[in-house]
Amino acid sequence: SQKIEQNSEALNIQEGKTATLTCNYTNYSPAYLQWYRQDPGRGPVFLLLIRENEKEKRKERLKVTFDTTLKQSLFHITASQPADSATYLCALDFTGGGNKLTFGTGTQLKVEL
Amino acid sequence: EAGVTQFPSHSVIEKGQTVTLRCDPISGHDNLYWYRRVMGKEIKFLLHFVKESKQDESGMPNNRFLAERTGGTYSTLKVQPAELEDSGVYFCASSQATTILYFGPGTRLTVT
Repeated sequence: SQKIEQNSEALNIQEGKTATLTCNYTNYSPAYLQWYRQDPGRGPVFLLLIRENEKEKRKERLKVTFDTTLKQSLFHITASQPADSATYLCALDFTGGGNKLTFGTGTQLKVEL
Repeated sequence: EAGVTQFPSHSVIEKGQTVTLRCDPISGHDNLYWYRRVMGKEIKFLLHFVKESKQDESGMPNNRFLAERTGGTYSTLKVQPAELEDSGVYFCASSQATTILYFGPGTRLTVT
């Protein structure tokens, strides 16, 4: 069955630096790969989506890459701020319609002053 | 615009009891999903409604779980009888003709 791996250990970085989070998966590539942010006690919030035929997507300080050969997605936050501290989830969408997402366990990011 | 709401936010019940979780999606969203996260694990898909019809219920763990969506509006997820392993956070999400899901805050279920 499909397996998704995200850094299980928390990532601590200094304010202003670039945070890079990794999402690796096994088996076949999804039609879409999505990244969500989750804060304690809240539901996931959609951030970015990248299609299997796209290499890179950007939105403000966020950048996502998708390498179907390596079966990996990287999520970057540039000029990180303490407000970026949260858990970031990678989700694979094999149906192409967002109808049945397969989530990773998430990586906790802490941005320190 | 109001987001996805879930009720209750937290429920503590004893093993063998029944619990009903409710989800109100964003108005106009035909797609409604239930997901859950058990302790230490990833968020997992349970089922998908399109309006009042079950499109995909392949993630439902067993027949102790029953989901309904009356009139294509709000949805309920009933667990009867609850077992210890049902403890976790149950998320509802909705979407309308896009791949982007809008999640509710979740219901934390504790079975003792």
